[in-house]
Amino acid sequence: EVQLVQPGAELKKPGESLKISCKTSGYTFTNYWIGWVRQMPGKGLEWMGIIYPGDSDTMYSPSFQGQVTISVDKSINTAYLQWSSLKASDTAIYYCARGFGVEKVLDYWGQGTLVTVSS
Amino acid sequence: DIQMTQSPSSLSASVRDRVTITCRASQSLSSYLNWYQQKPGKAPKLLIYAASNLQSGVPSRFSGSGSGTDFTLTISSLQPEDFATYYCQQSHSTPWTFGQGTKVEIK
Repeated sequence: EVQLVQPGAELKKPGESLKISCKTSGYTFTNYWIGWVRQMPGKGLEWMGIIYPGDSDTMYSPSFQGQVTISVDKSINTAYLQWSSLKASDTAIYYCARGFGVEKVLDYWGQGTLVTVSS
Repeated sequence: DIQMTQSPSSLSASVRDRVTITCRASQSLSSYLNWYQQKPGKAPKLLIYAASNLQSGVPSRFSGSGSGTDFTLTISSLQPEDFATYYCQQSHSTPWTFGQGTKVEIK
């Protein structure tokens, strides 16, 4: 069974750093893309970027380029999304999802991590 | 970036109604268009990929059609568990972009 498991919530202060995880199982990690999607409170879905664990090829949305870093650790089948300096406007739910095919369609999703940035 | 526009933004319907949601792209996508369903407090779920391909395990009352710039998601007979928000998403060119969502509510 394909699973993507994310921590439920993180509470941080502005200016702090954060790295959230997406631990996968049930498939060959290096054969599928992993994408990240943001959902701000009460809003729609925004595609942030995607990484191919096989060779760490990464693509970012211009809206998020330079704001976050996407990475993987192949030894533990886990993808990461990290910030070096959080802002209050980063408060949102962040989903990871597996991407398949040339079109990188997001077929399996994690349950999401609620990141709250507040002083 | 490719802009995705869904219509309507919300609709009210009854159980067993036929529901149609449209998605228009700002440039041609060929068939690189996907549909997701999201229920409150849950992650999105893939329903349709490549415009008309039903994802495994998704009920056959869901169908997708279209190509180029105009696409449609149809629910042939709305069921209680279908009340949710639906998003289209293009995977033709990066950055992938989503429509703003269509909320399907109970009439």
